[in-house]
Amino acid sequence: EIVLTQSPGTLSLSPGERATLSCRASQSVSSNYLIWYQQKPGQAPRLLIYGASSRATGIPDRFSGSGSGTDFTLTISRLEPEDFAVYYCQQYGSSPFTFGRGTKLEIK
Amino acid sequence: EVQLVESGGGLVQPGGSLKLSCAASGFTFSGSIMHWVRQASGKGLEWVGRIRSKANNYATEYAASVKGRFTISRDDSKNTAYLHMNSLKTEDTAVYFCRVWLGELLRDYWGQGALVTVSS
Repeated sequence: EIVLTQSPGTLSLSPGERATLSCRASQSVSSNYLIWYQQKPGQAPRLLIYGASSRATGIPDRFSGSGSGTDFTLTISRLEPEDFAVYYCQQYGSSPFTFGRGTKLEIK
Repeated sequence: EVQLVESGGGLVQPGGSLKLSCAASGFTFSGSIMHWVRQASGKGLEWVGRIRSKANNYATEYAASVKGRFTISRDDSKNTAYLHMNSLKTEDTAVYFCRVWLGELLRDYWGQGALVTVSS
């Protein structure tokens, strides 16, 4: 199975700053089938990006995804207070559709 | 309005069985792939498995950690997906979510989650 490694484990930033989150796969992700989720405490995850770079409906354009093959990045251009949460990547190119362990984005 | 509502969670002893349901509404359930994802308290997300549509012979796939113990099924006449869990272990304790991706809406939907506690 594909192992996804997210880094950093925790990212401490201030509102208005730029956040860059990484997701590295142990083998190439088929067709760049990679998703980024945001999860806040007590809530189900919210899909932000699919296909590595396409924003889901209703997702603000400050969220962007990039990358291909084994290296993927989620960028939040200017952090808003509501963006502080845990972010997960998931690959859906080959079963089992594994998740990364998450990056916690916290307020500095 | 799209809705997914899980039910059937609860407390079960190690080695026991439990069946979760995911009742869907607001979209064409029969044509959709349904996923189950779980999350232990304070931990990350773990994909459990999925079931495809009738057009793909209701094919199922599972995570290695549950393969052979869990079975996903669906009843398109009831717009409901099921997660049958057997030989439960303490490490299966988690909130279980059902999830669907709706390509026509370019977004996914999740249920509210069902808590399964495996303990003696």
